[in-house]
Amino acid sequence: GAVVSQHPSWVICKSGTSVKIECRSLDFQATTMFWYRQFPKQSLMLMATSNEGSKATYEQGVEKDKFLINHASLTLSTLTVTSAHPEDSSFYICSAATGIEQYFGPGTRLTVT
Amino acid sequence: AQSVTQPDIHITVSEGASLELRCNYSYGATPYLFWYVQSPGQGLQLLLKYFSGDTLVQGIKGFEAEFKRSQSSFNLRKPSVHWSDAAEYFCAVGGNDMRFGAGTRLTVKP
Repeated sequence: GAVVSQHPSWVICKSGTSVKIECRSLDFQATTMFWYRQFPKQSLMLMATSNEGSKATYEQGVEKDKFLINHASLTLSTLTVTSAHPEDSSFYICSAATGIEQYFGPGTRLTVT
Repeated sequence: AQSVTQPDIHITVSEGASLELRCNYSYGATPYLFWYVQSPGQGLQLLLKYFSGDTLVQGIKGFEAEFKRSQSSFNLRKPSVHWSDAAEYFCAVGGNDMRFGAGTRLTVKP
């Protein structure tokens, strides 16, 4: 139980375009979902926290207009990277929470060319 | 603010040897503590967690961790390492405001 999926698992896009990443909790309802970013050989950095039906809360330094988060249902959150640039290339990981514990997705590798 | 320190960036052990990965935390209240493992290009897998109760926690794959409040530590141990344990290990503290340590990369020598 408590499986979280992400789609796509990897994506390549051209600079200036937008890309959407989906995060789904497959067998449970998540009141809260989180988006993390991980650069090579580094730790996970929390980008934002989203609760179903409300606006996401972004961590300091994360541009909310660039990283659009939508949490339309208890099983789906999306992260849209708008006007992507090469420096946005990273590994993006989502998690879904029921209570204290978070369940992590497998991650999405974004490469911006 | 809560934080996690993993003092060892990289550890190499021989297969069959014991392992201890260190984790120190800073947290205002009783912490929720986690250890995760990540293989290259993969997501995180939960090894074990501590919320309350017995301070020695058993996890998957033969791992265990001990919560020591006096030392603000939550070190991960395994008595005999297998080659498949080579990966990146992350200690984390918190619940909905989870913070991760920098990670420790484990290399296993044959």
